[in-house]
Amino acid sequence: DVKVTQSSRYLVKRTGEKVFLECVQDMDHENMFWYRQDPGLGLRLIYFSYDVKMKEKGDIPEGYSVSREKKERFSLILESASTNQTSMYLCASTVAMSTGELFFGEGSRLTVL
Amino acid sequence: AQSVTQLGSHVSVSEGALVLLRCNYSSSVPPYLFWYVQYPNQGLQLLLKYTSAATLVKGINGFEAEFKKSETSFHLTKPSAHMSDAAEYFCAVSDDYSSASKIIFGSGTRLSIRP
Repeated sequence: DVKVTQSSRYLVKRTGEKVFLECVQDMDHENMFWYRQDPGLGLRLIYFSYDVKMKEKGDIPEGYSVSREKKERFSLILESASTNQTSMYLCASTVAMSTGELFFGEGSRLTVL
Repeated sequence: AQSVTQLGSHVSVSEGALVLLRCNYSSSVPPYLFWYVQYPNQGLQLLLKYTSAATLVKGINGFEAEFKKSETSFHLTKPSAHMSDAAEYFCAVSDDYSSASKIIFGSGTRLSIRP
C-alpha cells in the first residue's frame, strides 16, 4: 500500500521558534508537495519538489522553506513561526505530475502560541 | 485563471438518501477535474477524476460525477448514503495536465449522515 508518513501529528510551538515538519514516502515518487489546509479555504500549495534538491514555490511560500536531500523525504521549515501559521499541514506525493493523483499523509496540526 | 466553487460548506442527509455535492469550475481551457475525500483524522484520497474521456465518471465507494460543460459543473452523487460516507469532500480543477502543482482545490464540503 502507498504510504506517506508525517512524523508529527500535533505540534505546539511558540512565536519565533523554528519548526520542522517531516514527510516520508515509501513509493519511490519523484514529486512531493506541501499544502496548508484552513477551514473555508481548502488546500493551498506552499512548495513542491520534482526531484532531489529541486524545489518550486507554490501559491503561498512566504514564511516557509523546504528541503529535499533524499528522494523519500521532504521537509517543511518555518524559520520563525508566527501565529498566522497555525494550521493543518498536509504532505503529498505523486509518481508523475501528469496523473493528477496525489497521495496524502494524515496531516500535521501546528499551533503557534 | 482557473477556479473552483463548492456550493455548501456542510450538507446533511439521511442514511439511504441521495447524496449530491455541488461543484462549479472556471477554466479557460478544457479542464481536468477531481473529487478527493478526507475521512476524519486522515489525509485526502482520490475519489474520481475526469480527464476528457467519458463525461460520467465512476469512482470508489459507489460515487460518481458528471461533467457538464454547458453548466461548468462537476457534481458528485451517490444514490444511497451510508454512515461511512461521513467525511469532507474536495472538488479540484486543473487546466494543466502536465503538472499536479497546478491543481486548485475548492474549499470543501462536509457531509454528515443522519441515522
